[in-house]
Amino acid sequence: DAKTTQPPSMDCAEGRAANLPCNHSTISGNEYVYWYRQIHSQGPQYIIHGLKNNETNEMASLIITEDRKSSTLILPHATLRDTAVYYCIVPFFRDDKIIFGKGTRLHILP
Amino acid sequence: GAGVSQSPSNKVTEKGKDVELRCDPISGHTALYWYRQSLGQGLEFLIYFQGNSAPDKSGLPSDRFSAERTGGSVSTLTIQRTQQEDSAVYLCASRLTGGGNTIYFGEGSWLTVV
Repeated sequence: DAKTTQPPSMDCAEGRAANLPCNHSTISGNEYVYWYRQIHSQGPQYIIHGLKNNETNEMASLIITEDRKSSTLILPHATLRDTAVYYCIVPFFRDDKIIFGKGTRLHILP
Repeated sequence: GAGVSQSPSNKVTEKGKDVELRCDPISGHTALYWYRQSLGQGLEFLIYFQGNSAPDKSGLPSDRFSAERTGGSVSTLTIQRTQQEDSAVYLCASRLTGGGNTIYFGEGSWLTVV
């Protein structure tokens, strides 16, 4: 399946937009990009996913580049509760061995 | 149910004992996944089921680990002769088969081997 690369950690000031990048240069045409977050080893929480168009929901926005080789998750107004590890994955559902990388640890600074 | 349900939520067991962890996926979800996460570590893929079949068992850490799924619904992860290194949270997830379908996780079963 397509591998993803994320920075290990990021800081963001409370109230500002948090922009989390992800590289997935080997993505193929029918593979989706998914974002999850995990707080304190709770079960990972689904945030958003997309194929080629930008997506927005009540939690976040997902911006996918035109060549689909990278994407950015945007939390528009970060709060302390957004402190978590954020995972970008590109699951290859045909073989269903869905692997999570190490993600980005996002620290929201008061 | 509304979400993926796992039980027990917490389990403390003595070294050498067997444990069973249960996962009840979202109704109608055909694919089911097990992951393990040790303290401070990432998600380690263990096994997945498509219906009742597990095509790839290579992620199971040793032959002390086994998993089954019956009726295309509930799954059980069994750890025999538990060791201290088995202490972790065991996470289950499920989804509908299909390219754009989301994986949903349960809250996990915390296992502590003493």
